[in-house]
Amino acid sequence: DIQMTQSPSSLSASVGDRVTITCRASQGISNYLAWFQQKPGKAPKSLIYAASSLQGGVPSKFSGSGSGTDFTLTISSLQPEDFATYYCQQYKSYPFTFGPGTKVDIK
Amino acid sequence: EVQLVQSGAEVKKAGESLKISCKGSEYSFTTYWIGWVRQMPGKGLEWMGIIYPGDSDTRYNPSFQGQVTISADKSISTAYLQWSSLTASDSAMYYCARHVYRSGWYGIDYWGQGTLVTVSS
Repeated sequence: DIQMTQSPSSLSASVGDRVTITCRASQGISNYLAWFQQKPGKAPKSLIYAASSLQGGVPSKFSGSGSGTDFTLTISSLQPEDFATYYCQQYKSYPFTFGPGTKVDIK
Repeated sequence: EVQLVQSGAEVKKAGESLKISCKGSEYSFTTYWIGWVRQMPGKGLEWMGIIYPGDSDTRYNPSFQGQVTISADKSISTAYLQWSSLTASDSAMYYCARHVYRSGWYGIDYWGQGTLVTVSS
């Protein structure tokens, strides 16, 4: 299985901050990488696919980059509704595996 | 608008069987893969497997193979996740998720609202 790691595991940030989350795959996955947002008690929401393509309706403050083994999710200006846990997932090969998540909370 | 609507919360005893469902609407159900994702209390997301309702082709995460069965009834646009004998460790939230494949994978785009399964020993 391809192992996914994320850093940091949690971070505290203020409204308006630029936030970057890193995801690393244990082997190359090209750009078969997605990002999801999950708020407490809610289903995950799809943000990004193919490492850098926004899902429909996702605001442009979210951006993704990377290829191979190293990827980043950036939120350009953190807003109150962005405080959540973020997960990456590889879908290059079965089983499609998720990272452990990064919790973004209010400083 | 695409919707995946899951069946309601379940409370079961260890050893009982269970089948939960995920009904797709407002899209062609037979041309997208549907997957299941487990989230144990306070934990992260775990990918369990997927099914292509068009021909019932199914792929399992080896960690869940033999523990659950994924199926689909394309006539009613519904996918299922079932257990033959539940254990307390099956207590979790389960999400269905639409997976996009177009000459290559494009990941998950839509999620169901989740089904909470509670198993008492």
